[in-house]
Amino acid sequence: RKEVEQDPGPFNVPEGATVAFNCTYSNSASQSFFWYRQDCRKEPKLLMSVYSSGNEDGRFTAQLNRASQYISLLIRDSKLSDSATYLCVVWSGGGADGLTFGKGTHLIIQP
Amino acid sequence: DVKVTQSSRYLVKRTGEKVFLECVQDMDHENMFWYRQDPGLGLRLIYFSYDVKMKEKGDIPEGYSVSREKKERFSLILESASTNQTSMYLCASIGDWGYGYTFGSGTRLTVV
Repeated sequence: RKEVEQDPGPFNVPEGATVAFNCTYSNSASQSFFWYRQDCRKEPKLLMSVYSSGNEDGRFTAQLNRASQYISLLIRDSKLSDSATYLCVVWSGGGADGLTFGKGTHLIIQP
Repeated sequence: DVKVTQSSRYLVKRTGEKVFLECVQDMDHENMFWYRQDPGLGLRLIYFSYDVKMKEKGDIPEGYSVSREKKERFSLILESASTNQTSMYLCASIGDWGYGYTFGSGTRLTVV
């Protein structure tokens, strides 16, 4: 199985700050990329897909860098409610065998 | 929105018991999955199914079996529960691979 790597953190960030974290992947043939958010003791929920051109959803921006094989998530004007674990997911084709989860980056927004 | 429903949020079972974890999805998805999630290990794929009565082993199938008699329902079975199967179990389904998974709310299983 191909690797997906994330800094586990925790990232401790003051409320209102901008925070960014990356996820690197090893399979250059990867096709689809996602960021999931997981709250403590809850299930992962899809935050956003990551497109080649980059995409933005409110305070969240996701970028894909194919040359360097990483995706990034940037959160602007962070809120206390952004505290969660953010999972990177990469699909390389071929059904379930091609889907790889990172172990997540733990983000703590501090008042 | 796709809804994936797991029958129990919390379960406590004794060592040696047979345990059934049920998962139902309401969007006619063909692909369904069972994962377990443990601290420091991330999500690990146990079994998956691409269609009714089809099943495929994931990365850690030992000690588990599955059943998919109907398209909407995918059951995970622990034949003889052991303490090392204490974990968070997550069911997921997917229609188009380009759109990502939808997860159920999870079952936190404790085997004592």
